[in-house]
Amino acid sequence: LAKTTQPISMDSYEGQEVNITCSHNNIATNDYITWYQQFPSQGPRFIIQGYKTKVTNEVASLFIPADRKSSTLSLPRVSLSDTAVYYCLVGALKTGANNLFFGTGTRLTVIP
Amino acid sequence: EAQVTQNPRYLITVTGKKLTVTCSQNMNHEYMSWYRQDPGLGLRQIYYSMNVEVTDKGDVPEGYKVSRKEKRNFPLILESPSPNQTSLYFCASLSSGGQHILEAFFGQGTRLTVV
Repeated sequence: LAKTTQPISMDSYEGQEVNITCSHNNIATNDYITWYQQFPSQGPRFIIQGYKTKVTNEVASLFIPADRKSSTLSLPRVSLSDTAVYYCLVGALKTGANNLFFGTGTRLTVIP
Repeated sequence: EAQVTQNPRYLITVTGKKLTVTCSQNMNHEYMSWYRQDPGLGLRQIYYSMNVEVTDKGDVPEGYKVSRKEKRNFPLILESPSPNQTSLYFCASLSSGGQHILEAFFGQGTRLTVV
């Protein structure tokens, strides 16, 4: 069961690029890396997922080095509405739903 | 529209009075899970289910029960609620579809207060 380590909190000014790094030293061969975003009093929502190298979608980019022991979520030009908690998860669904360990996440505060 | 529906959204109850929080999903997902969220502790898994009639304990199962009699429903049961179960609860449904996709769909949350 690969658990993750992320910074507890980060602050950023509007318009800046934000990079949140997650450490997952015990990642298994079949594991994928998934990031979620949670606003206050709402359930987390899926942002992006990757296995290796780089993945980009309309919301974010995900960078995964060759050893896969860490990953970086990149949010381009953040706005106040990006203030949220971001969770990094590692696992493979076929090995069981108990792999969805959310932890405490990283609280991102975007400052005007 | 893909949905996970929890009810009720808000509930205030007294210690010892049995209650059930319902959760229903319309995506035909096999995997479902319950979490509780408390300040400073993040999301902690209570129970999960990998299919009908298959359930297992998560990290904090004490004081809770679940059942999975049909694929779409996964109710959370508190037989004798206590004040330390005051929390924000989320139900989640997880996609499978033969891929390694960990995309979880969450309900709106149930804010429970036990007095």
